[in-house]
Amino acid sequence: QSVLTQPPSASGTPGQRVTISCSGSSSNIGSNTVNWYQQLPGTAPKLLIYSNNQRPSGVPDRFSGSKSGTSASLAISGLQSEDEADYYCAAWDDSLNGQVFGGGTKLTVL
Amino acid sequence: QVQLVQSGAEVKKPGASVKVSCKASGYTFTSYDINWVRQATGQGLEWMGWMNPNSGNTGYAQKFQGRVTMTRNTSISTAYMELSSLRSEDTAVYYCARYIEGGSGYGFWGQGTLVTVSS
Repeated sequence: QSVLTQPPSASGTPGQRVTISCSGSSSNIGSNTVNWYQQLPGTAPKLLIYSNNQRPSGVPDRFSGSKSGTSASLAISGLQSEDEADYYCAAWDDSLNGQVFGGGTKLTVL
Repeated sequence: QVQLVQSGAEVKKPGASVKVSCKASGYTFTSYDINWVRQATGQGLEWMGWMNPNSGNTGYAQKFQGRVTMTRNTSISTAYMELSSLRSEDTAVYYCARYIEGGSGYGFWGQGTLVTVSS
């Protein structure tokens, strides 16, 4: 049971826009920034979004993040086949005094 | 360029301990915390704890308190994560990770070390 809640799966067709939600509480998302990771099979996670809505160098602007209250979202526009991966949200939790992750969302490009 | 290179796969028996290393290069090792995250096969990411390479200070997830020890050797820019009293549920890929500059996300990851616990 993950502290942050994500839908287990999402899907879209090439060119579409998809969003992945991440729900938390006042001790994590409500009081700290959210990061998003993309993980391709057999590889280490890759930072996609940090500090709620910032993209590291090299991440396409098709990826965007937002946060409101105790929830956050990752949006992917212009969906491409190479976006098929697992996506995880994460945030620091002040009550647990540690990093917490969502359970992950498997994105399928139809 | 920043690199984190981890030690190779391990096979351990239940009750044993494992020590995974993470060698940093391309930056000043003592300037950034090293975090450890693990992932069981087909499962999600699980944070284990952090270590400050400068001070040696550590913080562990409650789940691993008493079983995990994170240390470092600054002379060789290497961090270590030791997990004791291994059980089958500890079979996972273990990653070391570092924050990006100016942010709280893990922008740099090791390649992962598979630890298999089996009798």
